[in-house]
Amino acid sequence: AQSVTQLGSHVSVSEGALVLLRCNYSSSVPPYLFWYVQYPNQGLQLLLKYTSAATLVKGINGFEAEFKKSETSFHPTKPSAHMSDAAEYFCAVTAGGGADGLTFGKGTHLIIQP
Amino acid sequence: NAGVTQTPKFRVLKTGQSMTLLCAQDMNHEYMYWYRQDPGMGLRLIHYSVGEGTTAKGEVPDGYNVSRLKKQNFLLGLESAAPSQTSVYFCASSYLRTNEQFFGPGTRLTVL
Repeated sequence: AQSVTQLGSHVSVSEGALVLLRCNYSSSVPPYLFWYVQYPNQGLQLLLKYTSAATLVKGINGFEAEFKKSETSFHPTKPSAHMSDAAEYFCAVTAGGGADGLTFGKGTHLIIQP
Repeated sequence: NAGVTQTPKFRVLKTGQSMTLLCAQDMNHEYMYWYRQDPGMGLRLIHYSVGEGTTAKGEVPDGYNVSRLKKQNFLLGLESAAPSQTSVYFCASSYLRTNEQFFGPGTRLTVL
């Protein structure tokens, strides 16, 4: 079984400041990790993913994340926050071929202060 | 390509009524999934399918049934709706082995 924990249900940063989202996972087998972004009243859009090809991955909207096996973490960062980054962000994990679906964290609401 | 589409977008039911949510994908994906999203809970897997004619239970399957008669369609049924099934329902699909899931826009269901 696998699980993810997102630290911080709400994160507030000033426009132009560093954005850091936090996700720690638990998995008995090598995981596949994903971050999705959800804008109000919309579906989920892939932000970035780790599928063992590279530990440092780049995603959309200027986000990137490093997979750290020793810390069981996958934290996305963005150097400079923009008002358009305000959204709900979800970390998710699956193992193997994805046949059993994704296990999601509870979400992090990112607030951008002007 | 339309990607993943869901019908309807909104629905209000009375307790005990039944309904079917339709998900369609045009990406020739083998895997399809139904999730529900509730405040503070993230998304939870209801049922999934690994191919035409196959279905399996996820984390929260009680009160729901599914069918995958055609590869491109995945139906979610509520036989007797309950207020606890008030939620936003998302369908997703993925190509075999890549694991990235593509999500539909969601269906907001309210059960009174």
